[in-house]
Amino acid sequence: SQKIEQNSEALNIQEGKTATLTCNYTNYSPAYLQWYRQDPGRGPVFLLLIRENEKEKRKERLKVTFDTTLKQSLFHITASQPADSATYLCALARNTDKLIFGTGTRLQVFP
Amino acid sequence: GAGVSQSPSNKVTEKGKDVELRCDPISGHTALYWYRQSLGQGLEFLIYFQGNSAPDKSGLPSDRFSAERTGGSVSTLTIQRTQQEDSAVYLCASKVGRGADTQYFGPGTRLTVL
Repeated sequence: SQKIEQNSEALNIQEGKTATLTCNYTNYSPAYLQWYRQDPGRGPVFLLLIRENEKEKRKERLKVTFDTTLKQSLFHITASQPADSATYLCALARNTDKLIFGTGTRLQVFP
Repeated sequence: GAGVSQSPSNKVTEKGKDVELRCDPISGHTALYWYRQSLGQGLEFLIYFQGNSAPDKSGLPSDRFSAERTGGSVSTLTIQRTQQEDSAVYLCASKVGRGADTQYFGPGTRLTVL
């Protein structure tokens, strides 16, 4: 069955460093992948989308890579700030309007 | 407001009772989704509405769960004979159309079944 894995352990980093979050998937060939941010008590908020024919996408301090051979996406936040502390979810979809979400990784940025 | 709204924000009910959760999507969005998020878990897809097409109900965990969308806008998720394992946050999302469009989420309804 399709499986999406995100590191369940929280990622703790110091302010100013680059945070890197991983999303691995198996038994799936997504057409695109999305990353969302979720703060406690709130719904997820869309950040970035990357398609299967794209290797990298950037938006301000955010960068996403997509390696369909490794079946992996990396999500980077450069010059991280305490305000970046949240849970980050990856989500995949193929020829369907249904997104399959990972369980998310909690990021904690310390001053 | 311009965002997706959900009501109630919190619902506490007794085991065996029925509950209704409401979602108001962004005006003009043809697609509407319901998800369930248990503590520390990812989003579990429940049901998807797209325009006037038959809904995709493949994620509903049992026949106690049902949803409808009236007039292509507001949606109601109904859980009958609630069980303690139904306790979770129920999230609604809408998007403009088909394909890789962004999903816009509401704040969720936290359901607690005692």
